[in-house]
Amino acid sequence: GENVEQHPSTLSVQEGDSAVIKCTYSDSASNYFPWYKQELGKRPQLIIDIRSNVGEKKDQRIAVTLNKTAKHFSLHITETQPEDSAVYFCAATRRGKLIFGQGTELSVKP
Amino acid sequence: EPEVTQTPSHQVTQMGQEVILRCVPISNHLYFYWYRQILGQKVEFLVSFYNNEISEKSEIFDDQFSVERPDGSNFTLKIRSTKLEDSAMYFCASSQVRLAVYNEQFFGPGTRLTVL
Repeated sequence: GENVEQHPSTLSVQEGDSAVIKCTYSDSASNYFPWYKQELGKRPQLIIDIRSNVGEKKDQRIAVTLNKTAKHFSLHITETQPEDSAVYFCAATRRGKLIFGQGTELSVKP
Repeated sequence: EPEVTQTPSHQVTQMGQEVILRCVPISNHLYFYWYRQILGQKVEFLVSFYNNEISEKSEIFDDQFSVERPDGSNFTLKIRSTKLEDSAMYFCASSQVRLAVYNEQFFGPGTRLTVL
């Protein structure tokens, strides 16, 4: 069935360092890949997304890359700040049904 | 900026009771979804809804679950006879398009359901 694997499950970095979170998906027909940030007790908030016809997208300190052949995509956060600390979820979809990864708890130490 | 809203924020119920979770999607959105998140776990798809009918549902969404759009603004999830394992955060989401290249989904704040 459809599945999204996400790694690592926890990630601790020093403020100013970069953080990379990786996901792989199983459904080769997936065509949309959003990343959500979820703070404790809050709703998932979309931070960046990428479509299947694009290999890379950047928005200030956040970038996402997609390798359709290998069926994996990654989130890159540069110059991390303490307020980046949260759980990050990747997801994949082709028909609107979002399949989420297991989440990565990012901790940015000042 | 328009947001998806959900009520109540927290619902406590006894096992076997019926609950209805309510959502008001963003007004010009056409596709509606329910997801759930058991504490500390990933978000799981339950059901998608378009044009007054279910588009897709997961294996979690069994006969105990139903969805409805009773009027032009609300979207509800009903659990007929709650079980302990239904305890979770339930998120409603909506999106404007589905068949376009992308379909950004906006999530509501969630309803925390506790089944005792």
